[in-house]
Amino acid sequence: AQKITQTQPGMFVQEKEAVTLDCTYDTSDPSYGLFWYKQPSSGEMIFLIYQGSYDQQNATEGRYSLNFQKARKSANLVISASQLGDSAMYFCAMREGSGGSNYKLTFGKGTLLTVNP
Amino acid sequence: EPEVTQTPSHQVTQMGQEVILRCVPISNHLYFYWYRQILGQKVEFLVSFYNNEISEKSEIFDDQFSVERPDGSNFTLKIRSTKLEDSAMYFCASSAGKIGNEQFFGPGTRLTVL
Repeated sequence: AQKITQTQPGMFVQEKEAVTLDCTYDTSDPSYGLFWYKQPSSGEMIFLIYQGSYDQQNATEGRYSLNFQKARKSANLVISASQLGDSAMYFCAMREGSGGSNYKLTFGKGTLLTVNP
Repeated sequence: EPEVTQTPSHQVTQMGQEVILRCVPISNHLYFYWYRQILGQKVEFLVSFYNNEISEKSEIFDDQFSVERPDGSNFTLKIRSTKLEDSAMYFCASSAGKIGNEQFFGPGTRLTVL
């Protein structure tokens, strides 16, 4: 079974509008972390936002917020006031466990966001 | 702002040749990773490294792959005998290891095997 599922291969949004990118996850570990990364066409991976499984509040970072619904195992990324520069591939990722010697990330397949002027 | 660096940015090699991909993680980070992204696909975990040894490796990371931290700053990935299917973007990442600390990714090395 997929640990991270991103069901939207592509999304379109008008500039200045908000957009939600979906992510569902599967884990039996009570301690985990969820991350969103942006990959522009240049290829680098840019960290956007993090949500811990025990965090009481949804994470926010500027125009990015994470809609965390633990019971539904979803961690959707909301981008407000979209800009042309937001056009990129967006990956949801999960880190399972609370410590030890490994914090590896498992990634979803990504969603390609296109912002239209 | 500190960043992860990788060299070279692009490597072209012949099938069967050995390649070494180099990374300089952020200096106070303790955990190091290599990931791979075949063109158009998701990012896949290869190996994690902590305290001078491999802490976990994926099934992709077979005997053809090895990692090394030869000095206090570099972290290398060696592919002993490259195959066509090794063509991909290889990302190095590092983290401080605390819960919630994000992994900082390098810009990647695009490996093309001919």
